[in-house]
Amino acid sequence: DADVTQTPRNRITKTGKRIMLECSQTKGHDRMYWYRQDPGLGLRLIYYSFDVKDINKGEISDGYSVSRQAQAKFSLSLESAIPNQTALYFCATSDLAGGEFFGPGTRLTVL
Amino acid sequence: GNSVTQMEGPVTLSEEAFLTINCTYTATGYPSLFWYVQYPGEGLQLLLKATKADDKGSNKGFEATYRKETTSFHLEKGSVQVSDSAVYFCALSDRRGGSEKLVFGKGTKLTVNP
Repeated sequence: DADVTQTPRNRITKTGKRIMLECSQTKGHDRMYWYRQDPGLGLRLIYYSFDVKDINKGEISDGYSVSRQAQAKFSLSLESAIPNQTALYFCATSDLAGGEFFGPGTRLTVL
Repeated sequence: GNSVTQMEGPVTLSEEAFLTINCTYTATGYPSLFWYVQYPGEGLQLLLKATKADDKGSNKGFEATYRKETTSFHLEKGSVQVSDSAVYFCALSDRRGGSEKLVFGKGTKLTVNP
């Protein structure tokens, strides 16, 4: 089984809809992250969490919110999706040794 | 702020050619440096890392040396294969503010032809 799983893997939605992307990990790591990937821009950090009670904004948090339901679960929400949020979204985890383990990604299209 | 600059792609090589993908960084303090690889349709995988100056990270025939004097961490492979076709990301760990998170370059797409 994969260490970091994301659901859904693909989602098409309409402008104004609320969307939740979910991430689960079996690595036992405290640290979890959400990134978005856009062509030519690399990965940009949306939110990160270093434990269940710790939530921090990344460089592009506007329009997004997160919830850390448990050590193993970290979900990303788009309260009112807009077309420029069309992107590939990745969840990642890490431990104190450094380096991150990435999920397979969720491809989100907002029409 | 901390940043990573890597050579723009795409890079196209023939099988068994020598590969270099340049990466330079700007950072305060002494970050750890990483190379990640993303194969088509997949998430990122850690390829190699180095945590201090002059360290050499290596994996799957790829190497990169942490050069503090030139603030560089160039990725090299002596003989590429078709299966190395992927997007490669250079990254550094940003430990400012007591937290640690990665800062990525924009990625370099490599295509290896038979």
